[in-house]
Amino acid sequence: AQSVTQLGSHVSVSEGALVLLRCNYSSSVPPYLFWYVQYPNQGLQLLLKYTSAATLVKGINGFEAEFKKSETSFHLTKPSAHMSDAAEYFCAVSDAGGFKTIFGAGTRLFVKA
Amino acid sequence: EPEVTQTPSHQVTQMGQEVILRCVPISNHLYFYWYRQILGQKVEFLVSFYNNEISEKSEIFDDQFSVERPDGSNFTLKIRSTKLEDSAMYFCASTWSGTYEQYFGPGTRLTVT
Repeated sequence: AQSVTQLGSHVSVSEGALVLLRCNYSSSVPPYLFWYVQYPNQGLQLLLKYTSAATLVKGINGFEAEFKKSETSFHLTKPSAHMSDAAEYFCAVSDAGGFKTIFGAGTRLFVKA
Repeated sequence: EPEVTQTPSHQVTQMGQEVILRCVPISNHLYFYWYRQILGQKVEFLVSFYNNEISEKSEIFDDQFSVERPDGSNFTLKIRSTKLEDSAMYFCASTWSGTYEQYFGPGTRLTVT
């Protein structure tokens, strides 16, 4: 069975600081991994995805994530946080067929001025 | 840009009543999904639908739930007899291929009183 663990329900950074949101997954098959962002009272928007191509994946808004099979991790980073990055971030894993996607519990990112 | 739409944006119903949540996926997409998010909690997979049948469903998706694609454009989620614990935001999503990113609608907030 697939599962996703996001370490830290809340992360607070200063504007301009590095953002690191942690995600570990469990999957019996090569996974497809995603990061989604949710702004208040909105739906989910894809930030980036890993589908077995390059292990370093670049997404929108300056975010990137690195797939590390040995660590079963897919951490999300951004070199310099912006106030507009404040939102809830969800890591997700999907089976190869894409029929079932499991989301992590989410990490709320706070950005301080 | 094409988008997934959902109606209504907010539905209030009494316990025991039937509700139908409607979604219009992006027109050339083939895979369809329903998720729910109880306030403040993670996004939970309910069901996926492909080729006019359910592909996967979670343990949440019991006999009280059903999905339908009645006319080739709409994708509906029916809850036959609502319970208080069904109160949540329900998101519809669609994608062209199971391995591609899913596009989420804005959600329907269901309140069961």
